[in-house]
Amino acid sequence: DSGVTQTPKHLITATGQRVTLRCSPRSGDLSVYWYQQSLDQGLQFLIQYYNGEERAKGNILERFSAQQFPDLHSELNLSSLELGDSALYFCASSLAGAPYEQYFGPGTRLTVT
Amino acid sequence: AQSVTQLDSHVSVSEGTPVLLRCNYSSSYSPSLFWYVQHPNKGLQLLLKYTSAATLVKGINGFEAEFKKSETSFHLTKPSAHMSDAAEYFCVVSEYQGGKLIFGQGTELSVKP
Repeated sequence: DSGVTQTPKHLITATGQRVTLRCSPRSGDLSVYWYQQSLDQGLQFLIQYYNGEERAKGNILERFSAQQFPDLHSELNLSSLELGDSALYFCASSLAGAPYEQYFGPGTRLTVT
Repeated sequence: AQSVTQLDSHVSVSEGTPVLLRCNYSSSYSPSLFWYVQHPNKGLQLLLKYTSAATLVKGINGFEAEFKKSETSFHLTKPSAHMSDAAEYFCVVSEYQGGKLIFGQGTELSVKP
């Protein structure tokens, strides 16, 4: 158990819908990262927050957004969902940025039908 | 820009024999390198990390990796494979300063009885 929690574990929804994925970092970690894992793209970095502020953006679509709240939990919002958004979404946390290691949550499997 | 290349998409070994998973990296800076493991339907678990201290890094479950700057390699080894080692292994480099992780494509390790 990494200490990072993610909810829900599974999510099945229809195209065009909006969903919210939630992540609670390890106690004491200030940085939260979101990654997407799909068969064709592999593991891709989406976005990073550090102590409530956006720190870095990766290959995140404009339909996706995220935020980190004062209690340091984070939410990833995915809207206007398409079939291609079906993937495993991981949250990771670390004390700060590099070179600190990141600890991953169990992931949320999103299926868009 | 940093990147990692995992040289084998699939490695098969017999139980009790050595494991070698190969990884080459590209980085303009002294890199932070990691190996993560993902068991089926599970999250990512940190095996070990290199952050410019000792070049031979010991990790969990008997795994170790050697950082070789002259060869830009960071191969993962284990003297004796166990059935429970069957999983997907990812070689990862951390972006300089920013902290986002850049993943290799993964190597699937199969262990035969």
